Amino acid sequence: DAKTTQPNSMESNEEEPVHLPCNHSTISGTDYIHWYRQLPSQGPEYVIHGLTSNVNNRMASLAIAEDRKSSTLILHRATLRDAAVYYCIPTPGGTNKLIFGTGTLLAVQP
Amino acid sequence: EPEVTQTPSHQVTQMGQEVILRCVPISNHLYFYWYRQILGQKVEFLVSFYNNEISEKSEIFDDQFSVERPDGSNFTLKIRSTKLEDSAMYFCASSDLNYGYTFGSGTRLTVV
Repeated sequence: DAKTTQPNSMESNEEEPVHLPCNHSTISGTDYIHWYRQLPSQGPEYVIHGLTSNVNNRMASLAIAEDRKSSTLILHRATLRDAAVYYCIPTPGGTNKLIFGTGTLLAVQP
Repeated sequence: EPEVTQTPSHQVTQMGQEVILRCVPISNHLYFYWYRQILGQKVEFLVSFYNNEISEKSEIFDDQFSVERPDGSNFTLKIRSTKLEDSAMYFCASSDLNYGYTFGSGTRLTVV
């Protein structure tokens, strides 16, 4: 399993963009990069995933470095509801499990 | 949006008792999982289930644990003889592997 490094915590102001970094230098060539978040007292929630190209969906954008050793989750306009722990999880395609690290605790200030 | 439903939301049980945690995965998903999160700690993988059998399990998932899909909709986790250290949030998840996993909101198990 690829080892990941994420900041323990980050702060943002409401309605500003947030860039959450993740280093995964030991990622395998076939690992997808998944991002999940966990709001207080809730189960993890899927955010986005990608393999090589940058990805966009209604929740966020994922920017993947050309060498795939790092990625950045971008929340374009943070809201109070985005305050959560964000997990970056490299995952083999077709795998049966997610291995959660400690993630980044994002605080959003009004 | 489709949801994974877990019941009960909170279960209190005495040490040594059996508990069954229930989950209704998303109807067209084929892969099912249980995870747990002890208070203040990481989310931990327990077991994955596909085609009516366990496809992978962690070291945590010992002989005290079992999973079952008794009908076409439910997916259960049974703990045969609960211990104090089994107290945790238990999350069920399902996936079609083309998208992300969908997690339920969890069952808080308290063993006293």
